[in-house]
Amino acid sequence: AQSVAQPEDQVNVAEGNPLTVKCTYSVSGNPYLFWYVQYPNRGLQFLLKYITGDNLVKGSYGFEAEFNKSQTSFHLKKPSALVSDSALYVCAVRDKVGGTASKLTFGTGTRLQVTL
Amino acid sequence: DAGVIQSPRHEVTEMGQEVTLRCKPISGHDYLFWYRQTMMRGLELLIYFNNNVPIDDSGMPEDRFSAKMPNASFSTLKIQPSEPRDSAVYFCASSPGIPQYFGPGTRLLVL
Repeated sequence: AQSVAQPEDQVNVAEGNPLTVKCTYSVSGNPYLFWYVQYPNRGLQFLLKYITGDNLVKGSYGFEAEFNKSQTSFHLKKPSALVSDSALYVCAVRDKVGGTASKLTFGTGTRLQVTL
Repeated sequence: DAGVIQSPRHEVTEMGQEVTLRCKPISGHDYLFWYRQTMMRGLELLIYFNNNVPIDDSGMPEDRFSAKMPNASFSTLKIQPSEPRDSAVYFCASSPGIPQYFGPGTRLLVL
């Protein structure tokens, strides 16, 4: 079975500093990996995905994520945080091998708080 | 495109009442998902459809929950009878395969 772990419930960073939100995964085959962001009282918004190819994936709003197969990680990063980045960030994985096509497993989310 | 549309956005009801949540997916998307989000359990997949056919309903908590997709542009999630522990935010998402696009959610409170 596939699973996702987000080890930090909350990450605090000052505006202008780099940020990292951690995600590790477990799948039986090669993964599809996703990051979503959720603002208060809103649905999840798709940020970026890794399917294959370059391990560094660039997404919306200046975010990027690095796929590391040996460490089974897909950490989300941004070089310079903004107060408006404060939100819940959710990592998700899908097993590429067979099975039901689009069923994702989501992490529990990490709340990012960016302060002035 | 307007994105995934859900209605109502908020619903307050009393225990025992029937609740119907509605979803209009993005046109052309073959997959539709229903999720429930709570603080305790995070995001849980309840059921998903492919081309209007239910594929996996293993996440539906019990027989009080049912979901239908009569056509490609409409789906409902029904809870009958509702209980206080059903209080949560219910999201609908649609997808052409990957990724999934979420609606704004329905915040349900069962008193």
